[in-house]
Amino acid sequence: LAKTTQPISMDSYEGQEVNITCSHNNIATNDYITWYQQFPSQGPRFIIQGYKTKVTNEVASLFIPADRKSSTLSLPRVSLSDTAVYYCLVGLCYGGATNKLIFGTGTLLAVQP
Amino acid sequence: DSGVTQTPKHLITATGQRVTLRCSPRSGDLSVYWYQQSLDQGLQFLIHYYNGEERAKGNILERFSAQQFPDLHSELNLSSLELGDSALYFCASSVGQAQETQYFGPGTRLLVL
Repeated sequence: LAKTTQPISMDSYEGQEVNITCSHNNIATNDYITWYQQFPSQGPRFIIQGYKTKVTNEVASLFIPADRKSSTLSLPRVSLSDTAVYYCLVGLCYGGATNKLIFGTGTLLAVQP
Repeated sequence: DSGVTQTPKHLITATGQRVTLRCSPRSGDLSVYWYQQSLDQGLQFLIHYYNGEERAKGNILERFSAQQFPDLHSELNLSSLELGDSALYFCASSVGQAQETQYFGPGTRLLVL
């Protein structure tokens, strides 16, 4: 099973780009990498998902190196409302069977004005 | 609003008791996932159901059980409760059982006294 680790916290300022890295050394061949955002007293909310190389959507980019043992969530030009806990999730098996899902330890991003 | 509903929002009970948490997935979603979130353990995957059948088990205790009904709602049963079972319990749903986005409900906060 993949074990995922993340920095406990990060600080940033409004308008800056923030990169949060997740380490998943034991990722399985068919595991995907998904990032979620969580505000206090709310359920996690999907940000982005990828398998390898780079994925970009309207809110973030996800960089995954060739060995897939880590991934980096990139948030461009953060605002105060991006202050939240960010989790990476490793798991699921493409094709129908479900492996166990492993959440990272979470990174508290604090954005200051 | 993710479209996933969970009841109750809060639950206070005593050690040794049994409780049932309920989850209604988004319309059209066939998968339901249950997670436990506590301060010391973070987000832990418990169990996954797809179209009424159990697909994967995570760190779910033997005192806990779940099921998914024909109308696709799911219940998580927690018995012989201990103080350490106090946590936020989330359910999430997705369309299929492979690499789809999971949509999380607002959670049920359980306090065992």
